[in-house]
Amino acid sequence: EDQVTQSPEALRLQEGESSSLNCSYTVSGLRGLFWYRQDPGKGPEFLFTLYSAGEEKEKERLKATLTKKESFLHITAPKPEDSATYLCAVLYSGNTPLVFGKGTRLSVIA
Amino acid sequence: DGGITQSPKYLFRKEGQNVTLSCEQNLNHDAMYWYRQDPGQGLRLIYYSQIVNDFQKGDIAEGYSVSREKKESFPLTVTSAQKNPTAFYLCASSTLDRDGYTFGSGTRLTVV
Repeated sequence: EDQVTQSPEALRLQEGESSSLNCSYTVSGLRGLFWYRQDPGKGPEFLFTLYSAGEEKEKERLKATLTKKESFLHITAPKPEDSATYLCAVLYSGNTPLVFGKGTRLSVIA
Repeated sequence: DGGITQSPKYLFRKEGQNVTLSCEQNLNHDAMYWYRQDPGQGLRLIYYSQIVNDFQKGDIAEGYSVSREKKESFPLTVTSAQKNPTAFYLCASSTLDRDGYTFGSGTRLTVV
């Protein structure tokens, strides 16, 4: 069964303390991997799409990378406003919807 | 501006009642989706539709129903058969290439 696993479940960082979030997926026809940011009580907001191993994308303090088995969301010198839940989703081959991980809840303390 | 609108933002339901959550999009997207989000559970797919007058069950369709009479609209009815309906409900839309979903702002349903 296709699965998406995110780790850690929760992460607490000091402001400026860089770290990475992980998203691993079962290898069975990946067509794309998506990262979203979700603030409490709101809908997820699209961040990145990655399609092939080796691909990288950046936006401000965030950088997403993709290998054949997992993706990382690197957060460089985070600020308190980066606090949110980060969701990973995978698009597998075939006519199926995105499969979401359970998310990583990030807290950045000033 | 194009977007996807969910209403109401908060909804309270008495046990035994059916309620309908609204989802409207003006992005000209063919596909629409309903997800349920519970603490620690992530997003779980309820129903999705890729074309008008057609829809498919997701992983947790029991106790829910949908319709897709117009491309822009995909309402979700939470029936009395849903035993634990208190949750945050998210609607999303996408092109048929599914190159990223656009989400609504969600409806929080509470059974009282």
